[in-house]
Amino acid sequence: AQSVTQLGSHVSVSEGALVLLRCNYSSSVPPYLFWYVQYPNQGLQLLLKYTTGATLVKGINGFEAEFKKSETSFHLTKPSAHMSDAAEYFCAVSLNRDDKIIFGKGTRLHILP
Amino acid sequence: EPEVTQTPSHQVTQMGQEVILRCVPISNHLYFYWYRQILGQKVEFLVSFYNNEISEKSEIFDDQFSVERPDGSNFTLKIRSTKLEDSAMYFCASSVGSHNNEQFFGPGTRLTVL
Repeated sequence: AQSVTQLGSHVSVSEGALVLLRCNYSSSVPPYLFWYVQYPNQGLQLLLKYTTGATLVKGINGFEAEFKKSETSFHLTKPSAHMSDAAEYFCAVSLNRDDKIIFGKGTRLHILP
Repeated sequence: EPEVTQTPSHQVTQMGQEVILRCVPISNHLYFYWYRQILGQKVEFLVSFYNNEISEKSEIFDDQFSVERPDGSNFTLKIRSTKLEDSAMYFCASSVGSHNNEQFFGPGTRLTVL
């Protein structure tokens, strides 16, 4: 069965600093990988996804993630944090194109002025 | 831009009562899902629905839960006899179901069972 582990339930970075949110997955077959963002009192918004092809995936709001099969990782990065990036971020995995999505526990990102 | 909508945004009910949570998926989408998020916990898959039947359900989705697509636009989640532990945010999602697996999520319904 597939699973997702997100390291750190809370991450704080200074405005302008690098954002790095860690995600490792477990899957018996090549997975589809996602990062979702949830702003306070809102639903889930897709940031980016990896299905096949290029392992470095660019998403919205300047975020990107790299699929590393050897490390079973899909870490999310952004070169320079902005106050508006403060939110909860969920890494997720699915096996097939239209399969259920398995979410990690989430990482709350705090941006320090 | 098309979006998934959910009603109500907040539902308060007494334990043992039936609730129906409503969702309007994006119009050309064929796959529909319900997820829930208990406060402070991760988002959990409940059920997927395609071609008017359940494709997959989790162990959470027991006999107290049911889903229905009563017409061409709505997708509902019914909980027959609510329990305290059903209190959660319930998210509906839909996807096209072809080459793109992006599931579009609604804003959620917060269910509070007293």
